[in-house]
Amino acid sequence: DVKVTQSSRYLVKRTGEKVFLECVQDMDHENMFWYRQDPGLGLRLIYFSYDVKMKEKGDIPEGYSVSREKKERFSLILESASTNQTSMYLCASRGLAGVEQFFGPGTRLTVL
Amino acid sequence: GQQLNQSPQSMFIQEGEDVSMNCTSSSIFNTWLWYKQDPGEGPVLLIALYKAGELTSNGRLTAQFGITRKDSFLNISASIPSDVGIYFCAGQLDDKIIFGKGTRLHILP
Repeated sequence: DVKVTQSSRYLVKRTGEKVFLECVQDMDHENMFWYRQDPGLGLRLIYFSYDVKMKEKGDIPEGYSVSREKKERFSLILESASTNQTSMYLCASRGLAGVEQFFGPGTRLTVL
Repeated sequence: GQQLNQSPQSMFIQEGEDVSMNCTSSSIFNTWLWYKQDPGEGPVLLIALYKAGELTSNGRLTAQFGITRKDSFLNISASIPSDVGIYFCAGQLDDKIIFGKGTRLHILP
């Protein structure tokens, strides 16, 4: 059974903290994505990666960075968390020839 | 930039009713996708459409790729309680994919 896992389902952090959200996929997919999901705004793409050590900005990259040191792992980093980054974060992966993105269960992050 | 207009934003229906939702865009797409997100989970692909005019069914779900390549609809027949969730359309052109804002489906007992 194919799987995308995210390190935490719920996370509470304080303003100014550095936050790491980890995502691992076991499908040997080349492409990986980070989205945030907010009520009424749908899924918005933060960053994506086509391959190891490659990264591309999505639609809302400000305040975030990413790391892809290994093919199976894509990390989202909040350098200095702010309250407006309270959200649901979804990771997804996709194979090179495929259209379907496989999503993880999400991490609900609250920044106090 | 490209945008998808998904409607309705939310629906309240009785169990057993049919449901219809759609997405429109000012841009054309090569592929239309419909995802469902159960509460507390990530979205899961329901149906993928690859050709203008294509009509595809998956059980009680039917989706169509509009002939202009700028729209798609999803119908659910005879709704059941487990249909509750958020439905997202997504349009894809080359490597770029754009998601609609979602339709939240509520089913009244």
